[in-house]
Amino acid sequence: NAGVTQTPKFQVLKTGQSMTLQCAQDMNHEYMSWYRQDPGMGLRLIHYSVGAGITDQGEVPNGYNVSRSTTEDFPLRLLSAAPSQTSVYFCASSYSTAGGGEQYFGPGTRLTVT
Amino acid sequence: QQQVKQSPQSLIVQKGGISIINCAYENTAFDYFPWYQQFPGKGPALLIAIRPDVSEKKEGRFTISFNKSAKQFSLHIMDSQPGDSATYFCAALASGAGSYQLTFGKGTKLSVIP
Repeated sequence: NAGVTQTPKFQVLKTGQSMTLQCAQDMNHEYMSWYRQDPGMGLRLIHYSVGAGITDQGEVPNGYNVSRSTTEDFPLRLLSAAPSQTSVYFCASSYSTAGGGEQYFGPGTRLTVT
Repeated sequence: QQQVKQSPQSLIVQKGGISIINCAYENTAFDYFPWYQQFPGKGPALLIAIRPDVSEKKEGRFTISFNKSAKQFSLHIMDSQPGDSATYFCAALASGAGSYQLTFGKGTKLSVIP
């Protein structure tokens, strides 16, 4: 199993550009989520999904869009990048949709917006 | 609003010593408390977790102590080793309330010096 994979590993964007961060998992997990990690801020939930076709907002959803067309994939779209979105982004998945189960994290995407 | 407060922000411990990281929460609906370990350049990984029906859980050198009345829980690393140097995050989830959202503390950077 590859686990949770994320692409790209690094990305530099100019303000106003859009892009999609890719996330895939091969563990047949129903629950997937996106976090951003900023120094001194911990991990903050952006969006999550409890199954194909079902998504919901987390703590910091503004400026981001998600969709879940398959169990395996959960892409995160930046609609119009801003310097405040400079961060490290982690995708995670879990077998349990009720929470309380181990979340498996991907290796992260380091995004810089200039 | 920060629902899980973690301290200290950073910790330096000598090899063989005990590392202690503390977390406090307000939401009494939280019923699942995991700790995640993150090495530089990697995604977080589940280290150990506890539910409030027990006051302590031990796995090898890692122990979670839980005080339900004080709404506090802590991670103890016995016989700390340089390989334990990492950032540690506590988290909490209200799984019984049907929540899917893990709330993370801001993290503690642990350095174990030889």
